[in-house]
Amino acid sequence: TQLLEQSPQFLSIQEGENLTVYCNSSSVFSSLQWYRQEPGEGPVLLVTVVTGGEVKKLKRLTFQFGDARKDSSLHITAAQPGDTGLYLCAGERSNSGYALNFGKGTSLLVTP
Amino acid sequence: NAGVTQTPKFQVLKTGQSMTLQCAQDMNHNSMYWYRQDPGMGLRLIYYSASEGTTDKGEVPNGYNVSRLNKREFSLRLESAAPSQTSVYFCASSAAGETQYFGPGTRLLVL
Repeated sequence: TQLLEQSPQFLSIQEGENLTVYCNSSSVFSSLQWYRQEPGEGPVLLVTVVTGGEVKKLKRLTFQFGDARKDSSLHITAAQPGDTGLYLCAGERSNSGYALNFGKGTSLLVTP
Repeated sequence: NAGVTQTPKFQVLKTGQSMTLQCAQDMNHNSMYWYRQDPGMGLRLIYYSASEGTTDKGEVPNGYNVSRLNKREFSLRLESAAPSQTSVYFCASSAAGETQYFGPGTRLLVL
């Protein structure tokens, strides 16, 4: 059972376009994290959101945690080829030893 | 800083062979984790160790065993490898409730 559903699964856009990736669940998470993974490497944390309704910005990336702490979104403004990669959302549930449940990921390709 | 290291980087096994994947971290983290990543499936938790001396099953533990050798090291063992265990395996570590740091992965092919 996939606790976190990510959409879209694949996204191919041109440099300068905006995009949004969604991460939805029927479960409540104590925190939700976004990772980016490059080919041949492990995931690297971009941001952690903890409070319902929280919005965090990281340069051109904006992350939002839903009010009910069941969903999140990642918005990239003016995408660049360097943004290409696999974006993963992951939720931490209470009483799970801080283990993470990952979504299946969104593979983003930004072409010049 | 080395962070999280994994060995080997690549491995090819025949069905039925055994092997141990090694993981070590130098960040003094209490918690360590093993995940597998398959195309279109994201990362799935195999086992985790919340602290030295404890291990717990994750989402997909069948066919695997783990050992938390000490605070630094957490190994994953396949006793009798099967083609379904072909995957990329990631080890991670964290302080309690903090950011998980991932190793570079071990790519395993079981023929």
